[in-house]
Amino acid sequence: DQQVKQNSPSLSVQEGRISILNCDYTNSMFDYFLWYKKYPAEGPTFLISISSIKDKNEDGRFTVFLNKSAKHLSLHIVPSQPGDSAVYFCAARKAGYALNFGKGTSLLVTP
Amino acid sequence: NAGVMQNPRHLVRRRGQEARLRCSPMKGHSHVYWYRQLPEEGLKFMVYLQKENIIDESGMPKERFSAEFPKEGPSILRIQQVVRGDSAAYFCASSAANTEAFFGQGTRLTVV
Repeated sequence: DQQVKQNSPSLSVQEGRISILNCDYTNSMFDYFLWYKKYPAEGPTFLISISSIKDKNEDGRFTVFLNKSAKHLSLHIVPSQPGDSAVYFCAARKAGYALNFGKGTSLLVTP
Repeated sequence: NAGVMQNPRHLVRRRGQEARLRCSPMKGHSHVYWYRQLPEEGLKFMVYLQKENIIDESGMPKERFSAEFPKEGPSILRIQQVVRGDSAAYFCASSAANTEAFFGQGTRLTVV
């Protein structure tokens, strides 16, 4: 069963605007959440993470928000750049277990 | 400090042959994970290993697939008697305890 869900398979955003990628999860035991970025024919690259004790983590243009009551997290990229075009995977884990991934959202940033 | 190294990058096998995929984790990482990505799909968990131990193999098909992470040397994902449906990209990741996982470049397996 899919415990991590990314319901938008694709997203198109204009350069300079904000990109918001969403992720929902079902397992309340998850305590660590991550976002990965993936280019074609390459492995996923770690982007940013957040622990369940926080509700926000920021790193440069990337901010991850966690809403535990709604079992929802989101990744904000601002301003979006063409080089951000990639597939973004949301992942979640409970301590001692492997990461569970969503199916990914393909982001296209247009000039 | 080299990243996660996977080899080969591309592997072609005929139906019925065996495929061996290798993964060397990052230095200092003792946790290894294997994932499979089928066309148009996300990353599906297969197996989680620590040195000499399989921690979770709930994502591994029951037959033909096996994995090991010996005390010395790389982790190996082995697929016996490959079939066309095994064609996919196989990614290995490694981590230290309870930290983010770092991925290798993947092995693209094609079964002809």
